Amino acid sequence: DAGVIQSPRHEVTEMGQEVTLRCKPISGHNSLFWYRQTMMRGLELLIYFNNNVPIDDSGMPEDRFSAKMPNASFSTLKIQPSEPRDSAVYFCASSLRQLNTEAFFGQGTRLTVV
Amino acid sequence: GNSVTQMEGPVTLSEEAFLTINCTYTATGYPSLFWYVQYPGEGLQLLLKATKADDKGSNKGFEATYRKETTSFHLEKGSVQVSDSAVYFCALSDQGFGNEKLTFGTGTRLTIIP
Repeated sequence: DAGVIQSPRHEVTEMGQEVTLRCKPISGHNSLFWYRQTMMRGLELLIYFNNNVPIDDSGMPEDRFSAKMPNASFSTLKIQPSEPRDSAVYFCASSLRQLNTEAFFGQGTRLTVV
Repeated sequence: GNSVTQMEGPVTLSEEAFLTINCTYTATGYPSLFWYVQYPGEGLQLLLKATKADDKGSNKGFEATYRKETTSFHLEKGSVQVSDSAVYFCALSDQGFGNEKLTFGTGTRLTIIP
């Protein structure tokens, strides 16, 4: 299995622009998570889905952030408009909810908003 | 709410030294506990886990024991190698299946000197 695939690996954008991060979970996994990692705040859970349905989005910082999971093999995290304080590494992870298994992480997208 | 407190880093050790990274937690119910490792430029990988009190997780020479009485899950290794240099995260999940809504500690950066 190729693991969790995120794209792009790096994104540099100007303040005010829309940014879309993409994630392909491991085939067969039914839970998907978006995390943000910064030096100041460490790893924060933004949102997680189970069977494509958002279960908990309490970590989404503002209305500028939105996430979708239109099918079991694809999810997006969108920031519109982006701000410099959104600069971080964004990780996607997936897991199989029925078993007591761990979450598998992608390599992350490093976002820089200038 | 849930929280994980980790030993502050960075930690620098000589090769073959003994390693301990402390982790304590606060949670409702009976959480599952995890140690994840992040190598430079990569996502997080599960290192080991324990799902109930007194369980010992182990992998690659690392060990951690789930201590309910002290709410701790300290990571240990008897003889570290240069290749162990990474950031280590303690985490918990109390959603019952052990793989949802992970709450992470701040991470401890470990550097091993030859």
